[in-house]
Amino acid sequence: GEDVEQSLFLSVREGDSSVINCTYTDSSSTYLYWYKQEPGAGLQLLTYIFSNMDMKQDQRLTVLLNKKDKHLSLRIADTQTGDSAIYFCAESMNYGGSQGNLIFGKGTKLSVKP
Amino acid sequence: DTGVSQDPRHKITKRGQNVTFRCDPISEHNRLYWYRQTLGQGPEFLTYFQNEAQLEKSRLLSDRFSAERPKGSFSTLEIQRTEQGDSAMYLCASSFQGFQMNTEAFFGQGTRLTVV
Repeated sequence: GEDVEQSLFLSVREGDSSVINCTYTDSSSTYLYWYKQEPGAGLQLLTYIFSNMDMKQDQRLTVLLNKKDKHLSLRIADTQTGDSAIYFCAESMNYGGSQGNLIFGKGTKLSVKP
Repeated sequence: DTGVSQDPRHKITKRGQNVTFRCDPISEHNRLYWYRQTLGQGPEFLTYFQNEAQLEKSRLLSDRFSAERPKGSFSTLEIQRTEQGDSAMYLCASSFQGFQMNTEAFFGQGTRLTVV
């Protein structure tokens, strides 16, 4: 069945880079996403990558996609204390390319130490 | 537009009672989604609408759950005879799906349900 796996915790020092990893199972997924959730808040879309791309960069965020290994990563450069949150990897269910039918991982809690 | 809006933000109910949540999507978004998120888990897909038509329902959506989007704008999610296992955050999202363009899903802040 479809599944998205992430490590549950990551701790880094302020100013370092953070790398959050994710593996997925559905090779037909059209889009792969990274969402951020802060305590008591909803989900905020950080970035997404189309499945025919290998890399996408957006300011401090770099997404790498390895389709062969079904591996997705999110790198946050110069991590700040405000980046502390839970980060969810998600893949589309590929219902006609709909971007809202998603399968989420359990989330990686990023703690940034000053 | 202020984004996806959900009401109420918090709901505490006694086991066995019925509850109803409301979601107002971003205007012009034709797709609306409901998710459930329990503690320590990622959101789980429940159902979605294209305009007023409910196109998909997860097996997580038992017969005690019903969702509607009567005019293709706001949606309601009703849970009948609530159980303690229904305690969760219920998230709504919306997106636009068209022939030449589709957008990512934008999530609301959720309704946190506690069944006591």
